[in-house]
Amino acid sequence: AQKITQTQPGMFVQEKEAVTLDCTYDTSDPSYGLFWYKQPSSGEMIFLIYQGSYDQQNATEGRYSLNFQKARKSANLVISASQLGDSAMYFCAMREGGAGGTSYGKLTFGQGTILTVHP
Amino acid sequence: GAVVSQHPSRVICKSGTSVKIECRSLDFQATTMFWYRQFPKQSLMLMATSNEGSKATYEQGVEKDKFLINHASLTLSTLTVTSAHPEDSSFYICSARTRGQKNTEAFFGQGTRLTVV
Repeated sequence: AQKITQTQPGMFVQEKEAVTLDCTYDTSDPSYGLFWYKQPSSGEMIFLIYQGSYDQQNATEGRYSLNFQKARKSANLVISASQLGDSAMYFCAMREGGAGGTSYGKLTFGQGTILTVHP
Repeated sequence: GAVVSQHPSRVICKSGTSVKIECRSLDFQATTMFWYRQFPKQSLMLMATSNEGSKATYEQGVEKDKFLINHASLTLSTLTVTSAHPEDSSFYICSARTRGQKNTEAFFGQGTRLTVV
């Protein structure tokens, strides 16, 4: 079974509007972390936002917020006031397990969503 | 955030030759490095986990004799694609972490686009 699922291969949004990118996850581990990364055409992975499984509040970083619904196992990314420079591939990723262990930090990625912002 | 430098950013090699990709942590000691592979418009797939001073742990289906990983120091891990073939053409990207690091992000290199002709 897929551990991270992004069901939107592509999304379009008008400049200055908000957009939500979907992400659902599957894990039996009570301790996990959820990440969102932006990957422009250059290929670099740009960290956007992080949500820990025990965090009580939804994470926010500037124009990015994470709508964390633990019972539904979803971690959707909301980008407010979209900009042309937001056009890129977006990945949701999960780290399973708590601190410690030699593989701590290993991420499992979703399939990605290509976001296109129209002027 | 911490800086991870990956080199080269692009490489073209002939079929049958070997290519070495370097991943360096510039301002921290990377106790663990991860190597991912990404085909165009697809997800990142973990190839192996590299811990300083010990053998790498490869994911299922990854040929350890083909993708040699060396993590000899706390700031450098290398991935060598041996006897490269056109099907090895892909985007390879590393990430690094250090012991005790607050795990709110993983630090990625810039990636290496490998083309085997």
